[in-house]
Amino acid sequence: GAGVSQTPSNKVTEKGKYVELRCDPISGHTALYWYRQSLGQGPEFLIYFQGTGAADDSGLPNDRFFAVRPEGSVSTLKIQRTERGDSAVYLCASSFQMGLAGALQETQYFGPGTRLLVL
Amino acid sequence: QKEVEQDPGPLSVPEGAIVSLNCTYSNSAFQYFMWYRQYSRKGPELLMYTYSSGNKEDGRFTAQVDKSSKYISLFIRDSQPSDSATYLCAMSAAGAGGTSYGKLTFGQGTILTVHP
Repeated sequence: GAGVSQTPSNKVTEKGKYVELRCDPISGHTALYWYRQSLGQGPEFLIYFQGTGAADDSGLPNDRFFAVRPEGSVSTLKIQRTERGDSAVYLCASSFQMGLAGALQETQYFGPGTRLLVL
Repeated sequence: QKEVEQDPGPLSVPEGAIVSLNCTYSNSAFQYFMWYRQYSRKGPELLMYTYSSGNKEDGRFTAQVDKSSKYISLFIRDSQPSDSATYLCAMSAAGAGGTSYGKLTFGQGTILTVHP
């Protein structure tokens, strides 16, 4: 079946510009996550959605970063006034959260990422 | 100090060798432990998932968790060139209902090369 897809796969922009990164989760997955991975580092948590609402946005670095998931499926990560330090791979993941009677495991399935380069 | 520490390597071994990858952590709230494999220019892929101290085996892979020492390991037996990738440990706290909380905290990743 189809996995998590992210578009664009690569994005080059100039400092100060606005960018939008899109994530299409696996169909039926209720939870969606955004992470940022800098070169040579592990992914760093940004924000987590359960349905349409942000359950935890504690990882967003500042108010230039914003994410939405208006219909509980596709999500968009928005970055205003981009800076060179924003250059990284932005990863999206989704999971199907089980209820109390279900499995404890909630595997996060990752997309291939969007490589953002801010010049 | 980072919550999760992982030796970045790189680690280079001959085919057939046993590989040991390790992470330490400082946050006692972490209850769920995962190992992901990431190939170049791909997203991480889950290999192992554990939520208790002890060993868990899956084919050539064994995950070991020692909560008292805040130390986790991944062992790969009979390593193959196709195992060449970056290995990431990841952890999460417990959420509502005893399931893992969504936010994962990753280690830096260890780059592994298995040469024929």
